[in-house]
Amino acid sequence: DAGVIQSPRHEVTEMGQEVTLRCKPISGHDYLFWYRQTMMRGLELLIYFNNNVPIDDSGMPEDRFSAKMPNASFSTLKIQPSEPRDSAVYFCASSFWRLNTGELFFGEGSRLTVL
Amino acid sequence: AQSVTQLDSHVSVSEGTPVLLRCNYSSSYSPSLFWYVQHPNKGLQLLLKYTSAATLVKGINGFEAEFKKSETSFHLTKPSAHMSDAAEYFCVVSDREGNKLVFGAGTILRVKS
Repeated sequence: DAGVIQSPRHEVTEMGQEVTLRCKPISGHDYLFWYRQTMMRGLELLIYFNNNVPIDDSGMPEDRFSAKMPNASFSTLKIQPSEPRDSAVYFCASSFWRLNTGELFFGEGSRLTVL
Repeated sequence: AQSVTQLDSHVSVSEGTPVLLRCNYSSSYSPSLFWYVQHPNKGLQLLLKYTSAATLVKGINGFEAEFKKSETSFHLTKPSAHMSDAAEYFCVVSDREGNKLVFGAGTILRVKS
């Protein structure tokens, strides 16, 4: 399998613009997670899905952030409007088992810079 | 709530010398613990995991960790560092239901030639 695939790898945009990050999980994985990584806050869980259903979005910073998973092979994280403080690396990850026994597989991340 | 504390933000070792990355955990139940590694500009990769079986866990690339309940520790070790080990290492605990992972702040390992 190709692993978790994220796009774009790098995105530079201006404040106020809409940003859409995309993720293709590993085939057969039931869980999909979106994380954000910054120097100040480390790795933060934003939202996770199980069988395409959002289970916990308590980590989503505010209403400007939204995530969808229309099918088992695709998810998006959207920021509208974007702000400079959204600059971070956003990771998508997927797993087959529950995380107390299984492994979480990460994509290589999408580095977002908001000017 | 469960949490992990990585005691060193940076560790520097010479190539061929032992590596010790320290992690303490806090949990109200018997936890599942992990170490993940992140090389520059890459995603995180699982090094090893403890899930209540053997307390000494062996992982990839010669790393191992020992679960010590009495000390609430899960330190990561390697007998001999290699240049390719230079990366950031995260100690991680899962919640009781296994739905979420809680990441430590990370330890950056530098390996000098």
